[in-house]
Amino acid sequence: EAEVAQSPRYKITEKSQAVAFWCDPISGHATLYWYRQILGQGPELLVQFQDESVVDDSQLPKDRFSAERLKGVDSTLKIQPAELGDSAMYLCASSLAGRASSDEQYFGPGTRLTVT
Amino acid sequence: QQPVQSPQAVILREGEDAVINCSSSKALYSVHWYRQKHGEAPVFLMILLKGGEQKGHDKISASFNEKKQQSSLYLTASQLSYSGTYFCGTGSGGSNYKLTFGKGTLLTVNP
Repeated sequence: EAEVAQSPRYKITEKSQAVAFWCDPISGHATLYWYRQILGQGPELLVQFQDESVVDDSQLPKDRFSAERLKGVDSTLKIQPAELGDSAMYLCASSLAGRASSDEQYFGPGTRLTVT
Repeated sequence: QQPVQSPQAVILREGEDAVINCSSSKALYSVHWYRQKHGEAPVFLMILLKGGEQKGHDKISASFNEKKQQSSLYLTASQLSYSGTYFCGTGSGGSNYKLTFGKGTLLTVNP
């Protein structure tokens, strides 16, 4: 069964350092999502891509976060510089088409980030 | 606007039933339900769309009251494997709008 791949699974970094996460969606899925999940909360959308274009990045802290999906396949989320409040699970998800509200989303295992 | 889930937590014995509710202050286009086990990724359970269409597991049932902007997830004859945190995600404004997830309901099924 096809899965969304993410790496690394765990990352510990010091405050003010740069960190990057990678996601490979299910093959053929045009839409890719990056979510942040704080312990005890539901996932919060950071950025949504349709192929290589950003559809929604309204909740992405653009002063420190960036995301790209250059060839419309895999994607990288970067934080620079990392802050203590960035400690969370970063989840990547993908769906077949660009209908975020009506398509099922398939989540990867996530990257657990700890900022010290 | 984040949907509100209730209850926050529920404990069952195997074989008992449970209902998890999700309500929104905004008009809804869709409601999604996901289950997440500790340390794992959320897993898709069901989508309910405005107009009555549903997609999802055969063994999971849910309702969507568009007028009340509410959805309920029905878990019957619970099994140990049902344990986890259940999230509803709501979509407003049409099929292309993002999902907003609730804080989750922790379900524990004991033998």
